[in-house]
Amino acid sequence: GEDVEQSLFLSVREGDSSVINCTYTDSSSTYLYWYKQEPGAGLQLLTYIFSNMDMKQDQRLTVLLNKKDKHLSLRIADTQTGDSAIYFCAEKDSSYKLIFGSGTRLLVRP
Amino acid sequence: KAGVTQTPRYLIKTRGQQVTLSCSPISGHRSVSWYQQTPGQGLQFLFEYFSETQRNKGNFPGRFSGRQFSNSRSEMNVSTLELGDSALYLCASSLETAIRKSNTEAFFGQGTRLTVV
Repeated sequence: GEDVEQSLFLSVREGDSSVINCTYTDSSSTYLYWYKQEPGAGLQLLTYIFSNMDMKQDQRLTVLLNKKDKHLSLRIADTQTGDSAIYFCAEKDSSYKLIFGSGTRLLVRP
Repeated sequence: KAGVTQTPRYLIKTRGQQVTLSCSPISGHRSVSWYQQTPGQGLQFLFEYFSETQRNKGNFPGRFSGRQFSNSRSEMNVSTLELGDSALYLCASSLETAIRKSNTEAFFGQGTRLTVV
């Protein structure tokens, strides 16, 4: 079945770049998403990328997609303390439901 | 434009009871999906409703059910609650149509945190 994997934890210093990685298994996925979850809150859609794209940039966020390796990454430039949260990547499977990774907890140190 | 609204935000129930959670989607969105989030299992899909019909269902027991009303608002119900049902229940709405498209974005509510004691 489909599976999405992420590393569990990332710690960076304020002002540095953060790179959160994700691998997925469903080669038929056409859209891949990144969501952010702050403590006690729901999921906030950050960005998404279509599978025929290699890269998408949106302000401080850059998404890179390597479809051959089924690898997705989210780069946050100039990371701020307000970026501390859990980040989920997700793919939409063939039945159009979202399959989420386990989430990467990003800690930004001042 | 108002986002997805879930009520209540917090609930405490006793084992064996039943519970109903509510979700009001973004205006104009006809698709509502429900997800369960637990520390052990992560985010798991429960079901999706579109135009008052369940269109997709995850691997949850029959104790979990839902419905959607003509105004697209949705409720989910869990009967005979178990301790393991303690979770954050998230609702998402999207502009999915009768013809599926992969690029529709799902917008999530704040969730209802259910604690079963």
